[in-house]
Amino acid sequence: QSALTQPPSVSGSPGQSVTISCTGTSSDVGAYNRVSWYQQPPGTAPKFMIYDVTIRPSGVPDRFSGSKSGNTASLTIAGLQAEDEADYYCSSYTTSTTVVFGGGTKLTVL
Amino acid sequence: QVQLVESGGGVVQPGGSLRLSCAASGFTFSTYGMHWVRQAPGKGLEWVAFIRYDGSNKYYADSVKGRFTISRDNSKNTLYVQMNSLRPEDTAVYFCAKDLTNTWYPYYMDVWGKGTTVTVSS
Repeated sequence: QSALTQPPSVSGSPGQSVTISCTGTSSDVGAYNRVSWYQQPPGTAPKFMIYDVTIRPSGVPDRFSGSKSGNTASLTIAGLQAEDEADYYCSSYTTSTTVVFGGGTKLTVL
Repeated sequence: QVQLVESGGGVVQPGGSLRLSCAASGFTFSTYGMHWVRQAPGKGLEWVAFIRYDGSNKYYADSVKGRFTISRDNSKNTLYVQMNSLRPEDTAVYFCAKDLTNTWYPYYMDVWGKGTTVTVSS
């Protein structure tokens, strides 16, 4: 199972919006609406941010939103804040009854 | 509060074995599926394995299939992974994580432990 494809890095200034893409195949992202996103600041465990493509768990700011079109999912962060600086990972359930992660995207807040 | 604490990491020679444990608290352990996820130094997350809430179904990444075995003891609120035939590429921080739902399948990891480090080296 190959990893989902994410851009290695994105950046934005405080207050701006950024979007991170996550491209898979018809065997994972395109097969189900079982896409999630995780935030990992340096040296910490990942934090659960989005599931079922668009749903935010309790406590996640509504500045974070998810979407999907075909084999590509996206995470958009609006109104960037310094505390958003972290690595972000997408993941998807697959037709092989496994989970596959993206390679990760480093978000820099300028 | 919901908490997961991994233990059992260490340094092991190639070809060796290690068993990791994950102690769960703050939720009804026996009703949720559980995952192991790893992260090699400086690399991204890699899903390793999942076990259904009652232990009846287990799923593995191809990279560990046949070498790793996930298990659980619901009477002790503890998740395990037995790792055999270890390779240098298995060097990573190993996280246990709770699944969001109590379905049969591996979907989402909503609570994570802090991880335990495994180093495979001679």
